[in-house]
Amino acid sequence: SQQGEEDPQALSIQEGENATMNCSYKTSINNLQWYRQNSGRGLVHLILIRSNEREKHSGRLRVTLDTSKKSSSLLITASRAADTASYFCAIRGLAGGTSYGKLTFGQGTILTVHP
Amino acid sequence: NAGVMQNPRHLVRRRGQEARLRCSPMKGHSHVYWYRQLPEEGLKFMVYLQKENIIDESGMPKERFSAEFPKEGPSILRIQQVVRGDSAAYFCASSGQAEETQYFGPGTRLLVL
Repeated sequence: SQQGEEDPQALSIQEGENATMNCSYKTSINNLQWYRQNSGRGLVHLILIRSNEREKHSGRLRVTLDTSKKSSSLLITASRAADTASYFCAIRGLAGGTSYGKLTFGQGTILTVHP
Repeated sequence: NAGVMQNPRHLVRRRGQEARLRCSPMKGHSHVYWYRQLPEEGLKFMVYLQKENIIDESGMPKERFSAEFPKEGPSILRIQQVVRGDSAAYFCASSGQAEETQYFGPGTRLLVL
């Protein structure tokens, strides 16, 4: 299985602190994407990082990718109560492979930011 | 530019009935993906379609489930003779190209009584 696995499963922090979530996977990838899901809602795309990239930033979000370790991390700086949500990593397989089109999701990290 | 639309947002069916879930991709997108999410779990891929073609249905149960994306109109995920285990949130996503970002709809929450 190339399923992404995330840790921690749950993270509880205070407003203003940084939150780091990790994702590991097993196969070669085309890209890795991070999504956010508020309880009972749809998924919101956060960042896409390609296999030839090592780091990307978007506002308070920073994503790193280490293809040698088959791992990625999502850092949210200066967290806010509104960041409370589940965060998922999703991997897309290599072009031409049987898993190219689909995304394979991890189980997610539940982040709670206390005011 | 409207996002991915799904309807209905909530669907209640009794065991043995049929469920039809609809998905309209973002304007200009020709790639559609269906995923299922059970409570407290991540999303599981079901099927990937382009206009009039099923590209990958490796995640879809062999029986009772079917999907289509006709030349005109929305993509349809059809579940025949629903069972309680089909209760889940079903999400549709679309992309402009296969390697691009997938944008998700709000989901259809199916409850089978």
